[in-house]
Amino acid sequence: EVVLTQSPGTLSLSPGERATLSCRASQSVSSGKLAWYQQKPGQAPRLLIYGASNRATGIPDTFSGSGSGTDFTLTITRLEPEDFAVYYCQQYSDSPRTFGQGTRVEIK
Amino acid sequence: EVQLLESGGGLVQPGGSLRLSCVASGFTFSNYGMIWVRQAPGKGLERVSGINNGGSVTNYADSVEGRYTISRDNSKNTLYLQMSSLRADDTAVYYCATSTGYYGIWGQGTQVTVSS
Repeated sequence: EVVLTQSPGTLSLSPGERATLSCRASQSVSSGKLAWYQQKPGQAPRLLIYGASNRATGIPDTFSGSGSGTDFTLTITRLEPEDFAVYYCQQYSDSPRTFGQGTRVEIK
Repeated sequence: EVQLLESGGGLVQPGGSLRLSCVASGFTFSNYGMIWVRQAPGKGLERVSGINNGGSVTNYADSVEGRYTISRDNSKNTLYLQMSSLRADDTAVYYCATSTGYYGIWGQGTQVTVSS
């Protein structure tokens, strides 16, 4: 099973700042089959990024994904108030599909 | 509008059973694999079970294997999760979602609470 480790656990930032979230896999994620999701309190997760770097429909270009192999990054260039949430990575190159444990982005 | 709507959650005693439903609208349900994901209180996301678009291939997390059964009725645009021998650690919000490897469309979730 591919274990995804997200860091940091919590990121404390101010609106307008840049957020960099990491997702590290225990083995190589082939063909960049990695996705990112955003979850706000009381809401379902929402797909942000698939294929490591492709934004889902309706996702603003302040969100970007990068990486390959075992190291992936989600970057939010300028935090808006609505971006404070929990972010999860997920791999779909191997079965079972697995999620990371999440990174909470909170207001400093 | 593209939508998934779950129902069937509730309070059930340990050892009991429950069937969740997920009704799709606004897209061609039969074109998509589907999954159930759960989230225990204050915890992360756990993929519980998946099914291919035709319903012929299913898979389960080890934690629910032998107790849960996933199925679908494409004529009714509906996904199901039959849960039995429920335990306290099955308590969670259960989400259905479309699966193309990644999970593009999510329902709002239904709460399952296992308690005496």
